Amino acid sequence: DAMVIQNPRYQVTQFGKPVTLSCSQTLNHNVMYWYQQKSSQAPKLLFHYYDKDFNNEADTPDNFQSRRPNTSFCFLDIRSPGLGDAAMYLCATSRTRDSSQETQYFGPGTRLLVL
Amino acid sequence: RKEVEQDPGPFNVPEGATVAFNCTYSNSASQSFFWYRQDCRKEPKLLMSVYSSGNEDGRFTAQLNRASQYISLLIRDSKLSDSATYLCVVDGQNFVFGPGTRLSVLP
Repeated sequence: DAMVIQNPRYQVTQFGKPVTLSCSQTLNHNVMYWYQQKSSQAPKLLFHYYDKDFNNEADTPDNFQSRRPNTSFCFLDIRSPGLGDAAMYLCATSRTRDSSQETQYFGPGTRLLVL
Repeated sequence: RKEVEQDPGPFNVPEGATVAFNCTYSNSASQSFFWYRQDCRKEPKLLMSVYSSGNEDGRFTAQLNRASQYISLLIRDSKLSDSATYLCVVDGQNFVFGPGTRLSVLP
């Protein structure tokens, strides 16, 4: 059974047209993360929510925003996608951030193409 | 210096071979360490956590050397299905992924 679900799996948008990617989880985990992964590179953390607390990485562009309306759902909004934003976007969850050896569980990712 | 560095790869090995991957990290305050594998165009999946005393899971053995800030993954008796990119992950303030090492196991 899928535990971290991402929709859509593939998203095509136009340059400058806002796009929203969604993530849901059935694990009831407190923490949800968004990563950007470009071809042949490591996943790069954009931001995460610990419950309702939003934590933005210092180098995440303002163009990227996130919303977490409840425990199960988290959204990634790209306000004005550029060609350089084409990538795989991975959602992940973890039970907490407080204990060691706390693993993250990843969704299948949404591959974004910007035309 | 990057926070997490790995062998550049790719590694091309025959079936049945033993292969070892190395990873170094710069943040001495890091507390948790993991190996993930990522198949082409798929999400990373946890392969194993890495414990201070070293740990083994079937054909996979992970070692941690805190003094040298070094982590290793050993795969014995390689299978075709082991072909993937292996990501070293270090958890300090956040999960930090290494660039990955690509492994191809050849028949």
